[in-house]
Amino acid sequence: EVQLVESGGGLVQPGGSLKLSCAASGFTFSGSAMHWVRQASGKGLEWVGRIRSEVDSYATAYVASVRGRFTISRDDGKNTAYLQMNSLKTEDTAVYYCIYGEYVLDYWGQGTLVTVSS
Amino acid sequence: SYELTQPPSVSVSPGQTASIACSGDKLGGKYVCWYQQKPGQSPVLVIYQNTKRPSGIPERFSGSNSGNTVTLTISGTQAMDEADYYCQAWDSNILVFGGGTKLTVL
Repeated sequence: EVQLVESGGGLVQPGGSLKLSCAASGFTFSGSAMHWVRQASGKGLEWVGRIRSEVDSYATAYVASVRGRFTISRDDGKNTAYLQMNSLKTEDTAVYYCIYGEYVLDYWGQGTLVTVSS
Repeated sequence: SYELTQPPSVSVSPGQTASIACSGDKLGGKYVCWYQQKPGQSPVLVIYQNTKRPSGIPERFSGSNSGNTVTLTISGTQAMDEADYYCQAWDSNILVFGGGTKLTVL
């Protein structure tokens, strides 16, 4: 059974940093691309970015609104993906989901809430 | 930046057919996915590559792609299908979601 468990969310001040983790099991993590998607309360889904597998040179891509501030990484030995968020803004407040899939978002985690507020 | 447009809401009576449209420039040449999200839950993939259903998704869910519009169709809609639905496509290596459609089963 595929499981994706996000952690690391919480309250952070504007301008601060936070690192989310996504622990994966039930599939071949090292061969899979991993994505992060966020959803502000009562709003729609916004893709944050993704990291591909080693075969694809761990290539990353990001939505324009986070490019240069957020970094996605992975540790295949730990079956874990990460989202490092720097220079956080109030508009980054959202539930952040970790997802596995290449071009299709096959399985979603339960999400972790990030609140950016003073 | 690329945009996908969905109606904010669609209403349907139980047992009837619900259609949710998603439009975008040259969308007919792209693969589109659809996700269902019920309140308080994570989204679930219901259609991929325009017309394919993942295992476990009921046959009443189907998709079509024509021109600049793709459509998610739910035949014989049930109360359990009430949810938000999002279309999704790729453009220039960026994944894009539609704004979402709230399906109400009256």
